[in-house]
This record gives sequence, C-alpha cells and structure tokens, in this order.
Amino acid sequence: NAGVTQTPKFRILKIGQSMTLQCTQDMNHNYMYWYRQDPGMGLKLIYYSVGAGITDKGEVPNGYNVSRSTTEDFPLRLELAAPSQTSVYFCASSYSTRDRGNTIYFGEGSWLTVV
Amino acid sequence: GIQVEQSPPDLILQEGANSTLRCNFSDSVNNLQWFHQNPWGQLINLFYIPSGTKQNGRLSATTVATERYSLLYISSSQTTDSGVYFCAVLTSGTYKYIFGTGTRLKVLA
Repeated sequence: NAGVTQTPKFRILKIGQSMTLQCTQDMNHNYMYWYRQDPGMGLKLIYYSVGAGITDKGEVPNGYNVSRSTTEDFPLRLELAAPSQTSVYFCASSYSTRDRGNTIYFGEGSWLTVV
Repeated sequence: GIQVEQSPPDLILQEGANSTLRCNFSDSVNNLQWFHQNPWGQLINLFYIPSGTKQNGRLSATTVATERYSLLYISSSQTTDSGVYFCAVLTSGTYKYIFGTGTRLKVLA
C-alpha cells in the first residue's frame, strides 16, 4: 500500500497563478481532508470530504476549492494564488472501525511558496 | 467551534528525562489522537485514545474525556523524540479532525 500520496512535493507559484495539489489514497477510506500548516504553527483544516461527491468547508476554506469524484482522489485547487497561501499542505484520509475509531493518516506534505 | 489547547508550547529536555504534555479541549469529543511531527515534517500516529490509558514502549497516553483533557507521557527521552507533538480531536456529529496548538520538544544529548 502506498497510503496517501501527494503531488507535487515542492512548488513555487507567482501571485495570481492557479494550481492543483493532487492527493490519492489507496486504502479505500471514505473520509479525506486537506490541511495547511504555516511555519511554526499547527494544522488548520481547509476542506474535507465524507465520500465521493460530498465535500464541506473546514476552518480556513477561502481561496481554495476541492472536488471528490472518486473515493481515491481529493484534489485541492488554489485560484489566484496569494503570498498568504505560502504554507505546507497535508492531505489525509481516515476510516472508522469499532476498535480504532476514526484513525487518520497523512501524506508527506506539499511545500508551496507564492512569490 | 471547539478549541484545543496544548501545553507547554515549548519544552527542552536532557536525554533521559521524563515529560508530560497536556491537551485540553473545550467540548466533548468522540475521538482523540496524538501525533508526532518529526523534524522533516512527517506526521506519525502515536495513539488513538478517546478515553482511558494506553502504552507503547516509552510513550503512554491518558484521556479523561469527562474532564476534557488528555496527557502524553514520554519517559527516558531520546534525541529522536524531538519534534512537535499534536493532539487532534473529532467532535460528536462531525468528521472534522481539529488539531491542537502543538508542543515543540527538543531533547538535548
């Protein structure tokens, strides 16, 4: 199992450009998440999805869009990039079991700089 | 929304020392996890612990859900324990994991 895979790992964007961060999981998890982590700070939830076709806003959704057309994929779209979106982005997925509850697993992160 | 505060924000230890990290949350939760973020940014699951006590080697965790806090104990700390420790909670009726503010730990050789 590859787990949660994010691409690209590093990217530099110019102000006003757009891009998509890709996220794929091969664990058949229903729940998927996008977080951002600013330098020296904790993780803030951007968007999440409870299944294909269903997405919802997290704590900091402004400036981002998501879609969930399949169970495996949960891309994050940045429109009109701004310096405030310079951050590390983490994709995650989770499942629910009786013993482990809703256990969340993270990708390795995507470092994005907007200049 | 729920507030998740961790203390202390920063901690420096000598190798071999013990420590206790605390996670306070402002509302009832269905799920609580502890994570270690290593110096390379990788997030590693430590414990799933909505209530009770668990141990894994030198690490153990206790959650008292009725009093809305969780503790992570690190014994005989090693330099490889350095990094940031986060707790994350899942509130009733939601699927949103909300992260705490983190504790940055540095273990000196």
